Amino acid sequence: QVQLVQSGAEVRKPGASVKVSCTAAGNSFTDYDIHWARQAPGQGLEWMGRISPNRGDTNYAQAFQGRVTMTRDTSISTAYMEMDRLTSDDTAVYYCAAGNDNIFDYWGQGTLVTVSS
Amino acid sequence: DIVMTQSPPSLPVTPGEPASIFCTSTQSLLDSSGHNSLHWYLQKPGQSPQLLIYLGSYRASGVPDRFSGSGSGTEFTLSISRVEAEDVGVFYCMQTRQTPLTFGGGTKVEIK
Repeated sequence: QVQLVQSGAEVRKPGASVKVSCTAAGNSFTDYDIHWARQAPGQGLEWMGRISPNRGDTNYAQAFQGRVTMTRDTSISTAYMEMDRLTSDDTAVYYCAAGNDNIFDYWGQGTLVTVSS
Repeated sequence: DIVMTQSPPSLPVTPGEPASIFCTSTQSLLDSSGHNSLHWYLQKPGQSPQLLIYLGSYRASGVPDRFSGSGSGTEFTLSISRVEAEDVGVFYCMQTRQTPLTFGGGTKVEIK
């Protein structure tokens, strides 16, 4: 069993950046890749990318390439998703998720990021 | 990118009655091991999504047996044998055959 706990809601101005954390408790942090997905208000889910906590290698969706950076700190079992050059279109709930073979058995509670001037 | 299409977008249901949700993909999700890289999630109101069905037809741990998944290749179905009030929410299919991983647009299930 893995519990994923995300950082709290954030408010940013357009052009700023945001960094969301996802801390894994209850099992070995390096057992699963950590994925990030987002959900704009009233919309569906959009996959952003993944990071392997073990090796640190990443894979990003083309839509976010160059604007998103996923990192991890294995010493505190935490993964991070940082997004730059925010616009109002980035207002969404951001989720981390984990599981074997890209099957998301575990989800964080979500972090609302609001981009507003 | 593999595009996932769900139907219907909205599904009013009567408790105790069956329901079906459909999902199609623009490319086959069948891999060399014979598994379909297609999974179903339910997002209940105000909650994070939760895994229901993985690899097309395998129920996740703790998922009631009224939920079942079927299909192969590019066409898939999520079936609920007898809908219960707690099943309301948005159901999503998701493919993991290739990156970018993609979700269907969702099917909102609500009680009549």
